[in-house]
Amino acid sequence: NAGVMQNPRHLVRRRGQEARLRCSPMKGHSHVYWYRQLPEEGLKFMVYLQKENIIDESGMPKERFSAEFPKEGPSILRIQQVVRGDSAAYFCASSTTDRVAEKLFFGSGTQLSVL
Amino acid sequence: AQSVSQHNHHVILSEAASLELGCNYSYGGTVNLFWYVQYPGQHLQLLLKYFSGDPLVKGIKGFEAEFIKSKFSFNLRKPSVQWSDTAEYFCAVEGLLSGGYNKLIFGAGTRLAVHP
Repeated sequence: NAGVMQNPRHLVRRRGQEARLRCSPMKGHSHVYWYRQLPEEGLKFMVYLQKENIIDESGMPKERFSAEFPKEGPSILRIQQVVRGDSAAYFCASSTTDRVAEKLFFGSGTQLSVL
Repeated sequence: AQSVSQHNHHVILSEAASLELGCNYSYGGTVNLFWYVQYPGQHLQLLLKYFSGDPLVKGIKGFEAEFIKSKFSFNLRKPSVQWSDTAEYFCAVEGLLSGGYNKLIFGAGTRLAVHP
């Protein structure tokens, strides 16, 4: 059983371009969480999704950021018109339950660099 | 609002030295507490957790942590570190999202470098 897969591992974009980050949860996991890690900061919660539903997006910036978790396929975190401040590591985690804690498994992250 | 504070952002130790990483949280209710470790280029891994019971919890690789409720602390310790412990360590508290779901709230992390 493969772990949580994120791709790409590294993504370089120029200002104004779009960034798409993919997360394939572990098999059987229907709960996906996205976190962002800025330099010298901890992981900040962004959004929590279940299949085809956004449950909580209280940590998402109001503009340019969106997330989806379709019935088929990976969860996508989309950042439109990227700016330098979007440069960060983006981590996805998945679970079989919304009782997060010990059931949460993390991916290796996508490092986004905006030039 | 719930928050987690880690006091040391960077720690440098020699092998065999003892380690203690501080973690304090702010939350008014019952908490579940965690330490995660991230080795270079790898994903976060659960090191240990506290839900209830004995406040001294033991995790993998010789790590332990003590929950002190009166101090809102959950410090991580290891008596003798190894070079392979070089990693970033995150303290986290499980808190409620609006709507009754749980999420993990992380501290800023501590980067530990162990020199041979």
